[in-house]
Amino acid sequence: DAGITQSPRHKVTETGTPVTLRCHQTENHRYMYWYRQDPGHGLRLIHYSYGVKDTDKGEVSDGYSVSRSKTEDFLLTLESATSSQTSVYFCAISDGARTGGAETQYFGPGTRLLVL
Amino acid sequence: GEDVEQSLFLSVREGDSSVINCTYTDSSSTYLYWYKQEPGAGLQLLTYIFSNMDMKQDQRLTVLLNKKDKHLSLRIADTQTGDSAIYFCAETPGGGKLIFGQGTELSVKP
Repeated sequence: DAGITQSPRHKVTETGTPVTLRCHQTENHRYMYWYRQDPGHGLRLIHYSYGVKDTDKGEVSDGYSVSRSKTEDFLLTLESATSSQTSVYFCAISDGARTGGAETQYFGPGTRLLVL
Repeated sequence: GEDVEQSLFLSVREGDSSVINCTYTDSSSTYLYWYKQEPGAGLQLLTYIFSNMDMKQDQRLTVLLNKKDKHLSLRIADTQTGDSAIYFCAETPGGGKLIFGQGTELSVKP
């Protein structure tokens, strides 16, 4: 987890409220990712970024938005949280190198979100 | 669609070998990965294999790749209680993305 932090680490919120999760890296990596982890589903990609202000949707992007105004920060926003968004959220980074491990991603410690 | 499959549970005795299996779908995957997740933690990169290899060994870990059958396996020799964790395989469909399997929970009994 070195070089990647996530905040908050735990959050309880109510249905309908907005929530923003932050991922911060000190590695100067170009690529950043947001995943959610749910039992029986492994990790599913929500959104990712391939540079400042460059983002794209992943597999489960509905109900989520992201922003990346600086290389080091990638924000995930739930505009109006729902109970189905209760999950563990992981941020990951990659330098996108094409040698010795290509899309190798390094993960943060995760944020546990409970939507009541 | 993209669907990486793993069995959900594996239980072994300490000192035995563990074999975790994975089938993937994207034949264009350049690399295939194994990650380990300990309780309450994020994923740690364990090892990876380049698609033009059929085997890679790294200390107690052996990765076997059968491209024809799109089958990947991870063998852990002399399994220890500290190896208890969830193991994820992942394929690389391109664009810097990883597609993960559901994870295999390895339980090591003394």
